[in-house]
This record gives sequence, structure tokens and C-alpha cells, in this order.
Amino acid sequence: QLVLTQSPSTSASLGASVRLTCTLSGGHSSSAIAWHQQQPERGLRYLMKVNSDGSHVKGDEIPDRFSGSSSGTDRYLTISSLQSEDEADYYCQAWGTGFQGVFGGGTKLTVL
Amino acid sequence: EVQLVESGGNLVQPGGSLRLSCAASGFTFSGFWMSWVRQPPGKGLEWVANIKQDGSEKYYVDSVKGRFTISRDNAQNSLYLQMTNVRPEDTALYYCARGIWFGELIDYWGHGSLVTVSS
Repeated sequence: QLVLTQSPSTSASLGASVRLTCTLSGGHSSSAIAWHQQQPERGLRYLMKVNSDGSHVKGDEIPDRFSGSSSGTDRYLTISSLQSEDEADYYCQAWGTGFQGVFGGGTKLTVL
Repeated sequence: EVQLVESGGNLVQPGGSLRLSCAASGFTFSGFWMSWVRQPPGKGLEWVANIKQDGSEKYYVDSVKGRFTISRDNAQNSLYLQMTNVRPEDTALYYCARGIWFGELIDYWGHGSLVTVSS
């Protein structure tokens, strides 16, 4: 059973950079994931797919400030030059064993 | 522009039934896996089910197996979720979503339809 682990919350200052982490449970180091953003009152938006080799493919009109990377069982979402509208919940998603999708618990990002 | 518009959410009593619909536009619906994802009030996302382009493969989260049925009508560009024997823990905002990478991931979301299970 694949489990995706995310920190519940983090904060960073306006204009700074922040890296969010999604950790895949053991034995799934080759799995790709997707990152999704949920802004208050604006709904869900797909950000990118991050592969195990660190390559990533972004969704439509996702700013260059957003990037993805990988290391072992960790998948990262880095947001640079933080803006106020980046304050949101961020979820990682993957395909688990037993033919079921799975989401991480989400990270709430606060922009100070 | 890809658009996914859910409908059918309502208040339903425990043990009752409900059918959610999702109208898709802006892309070739028959060419994509489709999914349902739900979010209980104040909580995170939970994957519910997905269906292959031609409906030949369907997968469900364990908690809804035997109670929910995902289906699609490619001629009508529509996705459905038939919910039966609903429980209070099924209360959530239900999102329709488009699948990529053999349906394993999601790249577009609807805005959701609220299902409340309560007596």
C-alpha cells in the first residue's frame, strides 16, 4: 500500500523560495507523482508531474517560478519568488498498489 | 479550454442513492481516462474511482467498492458516479477530473458537487 507523506503546514516570506516535500512509502522510489494546488475559493489546479529522475512536465500556464525535482523516495515542489497568491494547500498524488489512486495529506503554505 | 462541470449533489439520507454527473467540454472526451475525487469538509483529497476511455477498466477505493459505480457516455461527453447505500462518511465535495499517464494522474479538475449524507 503506497502512502504519500506531506508536512501539514509550512510558511515562507513574500519573495522568498520554499520547497515542499512528498515522501513515498518504501519500495516506491520509481513512482511519478503529480502536484496540485488548491487556492481558497479558486478550486484545484494541476501544477506538474514529477518523475523519479527529477524531470517534470508542467501544466498549462504554470509560471516558471514553479519547479519539480526528486531524490530517492522524495518528490519536491519548489516555488521561488513567492507571491501572496501562492498561499494555498498543495497536494501530491500518485498511483498506488492494488489499482487505486492515492493523495498525500496536503501541505498548507502560508506566505508571510 | 477544458471544462468539467459537475451536477447532482444533494442532501441524501443514509442508505439512500444519488447519481452525480460531469459534463466535459474543450477536449476529446473519449480519448482520456476520467476520475472522481472527493474532499470531506475541512479535510484533504481522497481518490474515489477512475474509468478507462472505453469503459473497459474501472477501479475504486476500497471504501466504496460494491456501493459506487463509475460510468461514462462518450457520445454525450459525460461521466457519472452512481452512489448507493450511502453513509455519513460519504459526505464530501465530489470532483470530476481528467486523467493522464494511463489514468494514474490528474491534469484537470471540475469545481465539485456537494453531497451531504444525513438524516
